[in-house]
Amino acid sequence: NAGVTQTPKFQVLKTGQSMTLQCAQDMNHEYMSWYRQDPGMGLRLIHYSVGAGITDQGEVPNGYNVSRSTTEDFPLRLLSAAPSQTSVYFCASSYARGSFGYTFGSGTRLTVV
Amino acid sequence: GQQLNQSPQSMFIQEGEDVSMNCTSSSIFNTWLWYKQDPGEGPVLLIALYKAGELTSNGRLTAQFGITRKDSFLNISASIPSDVGIYFCAGLNYGGSQGNLIFGKGTKLSVKP
Repeated sequence: NAGVTQTPKFQVLKTGQSMTLQCAQDMNHEYMSWYRQDPGMGLRLIHYSVGAGITDQGEVPNGYNVSRSTTEDFPLRLLSAAPSQTSVYFCASSYARGSFGYTFGSGTRLTVV
Repeated sequence: GQQLNQSPQSMFIQEGEDVSMNCTSSSIFNTWLWYKQDPGEGPVLLIALYKAGELTSNGRLTAQFGITRKDSFLNISASIPSDVGIYFCAGLNYGGSQGNLIFGKGTKLSVKP
């Protein structure tokens, strides 16, 4: 009954470092997505996937990479972290694209110094 | 791209008061959704609206899908301290290159006991 699990919950990076934010779901959902939340900006879509092996860009994809090798996992990679990537990151999944029943993870708070 | 304008940005109310917030868009949506985010958590779906003019309730919450399909409203009656959080509207269209949720910037609700 885990739903969507995100790790780590908190992370501090130095500018230029790389890291991977993990997202896993156990609901057999086809659709998974990554959002970032910044104060006063709401939630903005970074990348999404409609199934294993298929990914696409959202509204703010620059500086992020994704891949989807399994239905369960959808990691988000920061190749060279920048202070502008300081944010709270949320992973969400749903049965299918266009399905409103998004289940969100509890978020990863990332600070880039 | 599509944008949602959500207002007000924040509200400070007394326990027991009613709350109203709204969301407008420059383009139409097939589905309007309202989410609530508690501090340190991901958003949780409150109400989904599928049809222009639809009025739907969930306990003390009532939401309406605007007749023009470009707006939606959320009302909370008799507020209580646990209503504190950020409320997001979200719009969804089906099919084609769409099918991703577009979020408003949120309304932060504070309730004084």
